Amino acid sequence: EVQLLESGGGLVQPGGSLRLSCASSGFTFINHAMSWVRQAPGKGLEWVSAITGGGVSTYYADSVKGRFSISRDNSANTLYLQMNSLRAEDTAIYYCARPRVVAGRSYFYYGVDVWGQGTTVTVSS
Amino acid sequence: QSALTQPASVSGSPGQSITISCTGTNGDVGAYDYVSWYQQHPGKAPKLMISDVSDRPSGVSDRFSGSKSDNTASLTISGLQAEDEADYYCSSYTSTATLVFGGGTKLTVL
Repeated sequence: EVQLLESGGGLVQPGGSLRLSCASSGFTFINHAMSWVRQAPGKGLEWVSAITGGGVSTYYADSVKGRFSISRDNSANTLYLQMNSLRAEDTAIYYCARPRVVAGRSYFYYGVDVWGQGTTVTVSS
Repeated sequence: QSALTQPASVSGSPGQSITISCTGTNGDVGAYDYVSWYQQHPGKAPKLMISDVSDRPSGVSDRFSGSKSDNTASLTISGLQAEDEADYYCSSYTSTATLVFGGGTKLTVL
């Protein structure tokens, strides 16, 4: 069974840091680009960041550029999101997301066909 | 990276058809055929309903269809059912190598 399991969320003070993890199983992790998508309480979805299958290229939303860093360990089938200089507006459920593969290729802008259950990040003093 | 524009809410009666619009710019929706639609029930993760403007993933009901004209993409749900009541989001690839979502549309089945 294909699964994504996020962890690492919690309560952090403004200006603090957190590292989210997403453990994958049931598919060949290195063959897939991966993304993080967040959803603030009562709000819509917001794309945060993405990384190619080999980990060479990374992409960020303007709202997190320079503060967040995405990475992956393909030997451990795990995706990460290092979040620094956290702000109240970063409070959200953070989802790990796997785009679909089309014709043997996986790009982060392909539709996401596998989602994790989400991990909650709360930034508050 | 302005969010794509969706109506805040739409409604329809069981059996009817509804359409949700998703308006962007010639830097996102109008430039690429990488528009996806997601359904999200309260407290659940989103579910992919349409990919690449009009491609329906395996397992998604054929009552769901997608299209695009210029800078506006659309999701049509025919034969509305009670379980279709949910929030719907569109997304698009952008010319700045990012992904942008719409603000979401709440579908109410009357």
